[in-house]
This record gives sequence, C-alpha cells and structure tokens, in this order.
Amino acid sequence: KQEVTQIPAALSVPEGENLVLNCSFTDSAIYNLQWFRQDPGKGLTSLLLIQSSQREQTSGRLNASLDKSSGRSTLYIAASQPGDSATYLCAADIGDYKLSFGAGTTVTVRA
Amino acid sequence: DADVTQTPRNRITKTGKRIMLECSQTKGHDRMYWYRQDPGLGLRLIYYSFDVKDINKGEISDGYSVSRQAQAKFSLSLESAIPNQTALYFCATSDRRQAGANVLTFGAGSRLTVL
Repeated sequence: KQEVTQIPAALSVPEGENLVLNCSFTDSAIYNLQWFRQDPGKGLTSLLLIQSSQREQTSGRLNASLDKSSGRSTLYIAASQPGDSATYLCAADIGDYKLSFGAGTTVTVRA
Repeated sequence: DADVTQTPRNRITKTGKRIMLECSQTKGHDRMYWYRQDPGLGLRLIYYSFDVKDINKGEISDGYSVSRQAQAKFSLSLESAIPNQTALYFCATSDRRQAGANVLTFGAGSRLTVL
C-alpha cells in the first residue's frame, strides 16, 4: 500500500523567506505526483503536477521536483508572502485513477 | 457559481441518524469521487464513479453508500451515522478525456459532526 508522508506538519516563516515543503512516498511506481493547496472553508486547488518521467515542474514562484528512486518530492515557494499561508498537500497517483494523499503541511507566513 | 457544489456545507447530527451529502458539478466531467479528511490524516477515498452505471468502493467504504443520479450528481449517504464519521467530506471530479493525468477538481467540502 502506498504511504505518503509530509514533514513537518506545520511551518512558520517570515515574509520573503523561501519555503521548502517535503513529501515522501513508499512505492516508486507512481504515474505522477501532484501538489494541492487547501484554504480554510475551501476545497483543494491543484498547484502542480509532475509526471513520473519528469524531474521538475514550475509555475510562477512555485517549483516542484520529483525523485522517484528515493521516493521524494519537494515543493519550493520563492519569496513567500502572507497570501501563501495555507495547507499544502501532496498526492501520489497510484493508477486506476486513485490518488494517495499526504496529511499536509500547514504554512504560516508572518508579515 | 462553483464548478463543484456540495450541500450542506456544515451539518451537525446525532448518532443513528441518516445523512445525505450531495454533490453537483457543471464541469461536464464523467468521473466523480467522495473523499474524507480527518485531522492529521490525508484524504481517503470512500467511493468513486466513472459514469452513471459504474460505482466503485474506495479504501474506506464501510458505513457509507452512494448514488449517481445523473452524470452531474453524486450523493453520499450515511445510513446510521456514528461519531467516528465526524470529518470533512470532499467531492471531486475528473475528466477521462484529459490525457496523461487524473486532475481533480474539488468542491469546498461538507463538514459533518456526529454527536
């Protein structure tokens, strides 16, 4: 069974600092790795998707890397802003249209 | 209006009551899902449906049932609610025509409390 872990569970940084969020998974046989953002009272919003054949994916200040062999993905957020405060979840696509989710890292960016 | 709408957004009920959570979507997607989120745990899949006539159990389907009334509507029922079903429930959709990845669109969630 695929296990997805996100450490730390919570993170607080001052505005302007770069954020590094970690995601690890136990089974490297994934189709892709997805990162989501969750805001209170709202659903999850897809941020980035990295296909299993890719090493990284970028969107604006966000960059996600994938190392299947070590079972790790990292989400980098450059020059953090208070609006980046949210919970970030990663999910491994294990096939058959199923995603295995981590518990998330709750980020607070202090102004 | 939201692409994926869940009702109710919040519900408090008592043990033993029957509860239905409803989900409707305007995305035109064929696939619909129900997930449950508990503090400290990732989202877990309860049921999923690839079309109106196709319903599949997820990893935690016990105590739940679903109905796909139309392509755009997917309801989750708790026949006899119990306190450990207190959680945040999400409906999601995806499109089989999207090649290469299963990208989900989520509703805003339904918070259920069972006393």
